[in-house]
Amino acid sequence: SNGLSQPSSVSVSPGQTARIPCSGDALPRQYAYWYQQKAGQAPVLVIYKDSKRPSGTPERFSGSSSGTTVTLTISGVQAEDEADYYCHSIGTSGTMFGGGTKLAVV
Amino acid sequence: QVQLQESGPGLVKPSQTLSLTCTVSGGSISNGNYYWNWIRQPAGKGLEWIGRVHTSGSINYNPPIKSRLTISLDTSKNQFSLTVMSVTAADTALYYCAREEPEGATRWGAFDIWGPGTVVTVSS
Repeated sequence: SNGLSQPSSVSVSPGQTARIPCSGDALPRQYAYWYQQKAGQAPVLVIYKDSKRPSGTPERFSGSSSGTTVTLTISGVQAEDEADYYCHSIGTSGTMFGGGTKLAVV
Repeated sequence: QVQLQESGPGLVKPSQTLSLTCTVSGGSISNGNYYWNWIRQPAGKGLEWIGRVHTSGSINYNPPIKSRLTISLDTSKNQFSLTVMSVTAADTALYYCAREEPEGATRWGAFDIWGPGTVVTVSS
């Protein structure tokens, strides 16, 4: 299918590791990107080309890819990481986004 | 550093035309290998890519809504624009403009700079 699937929500306690998967048939052939969107703010790029961090992204954020699934991992989650996270890649018609995952830090 | 700022009417009546502008500051819109994109987000929902224009003037649209869209580049004003015809309530959303730097020959890449967004409501 020409789409990206993410879980609607993930919950972790502070200090734990959060993993947010994103699945799609295009992912073995196309790069994936990840964005963090805090309440009332525009999205911010946190991972590009599957696993690279832009300057300014904390080292606790990492990305990985395996087959049709890419994963955003946040190690040692902090309260400030609570946000919506969107994966992004390229489909047959152009840019596509996953539905977004709400990360709750509880 | 480059910054983006959306502007538009806020409220549009059903069946009318929506026009939005994104003003680029801190750099020239015509320099470099970039795509200038429009992305929207209905309240409480996810992101939807609308379309983009390259610094060369080439344009790509999201096929499901392509028939109602026009995206253009105005290098003299350092702006790019979006027009959506025949709007309905389904076009109500927060509209973002964003810069995209393509990865080599792929012609697609990450959205590295976003505007703050502008809310558009379609209502009579």
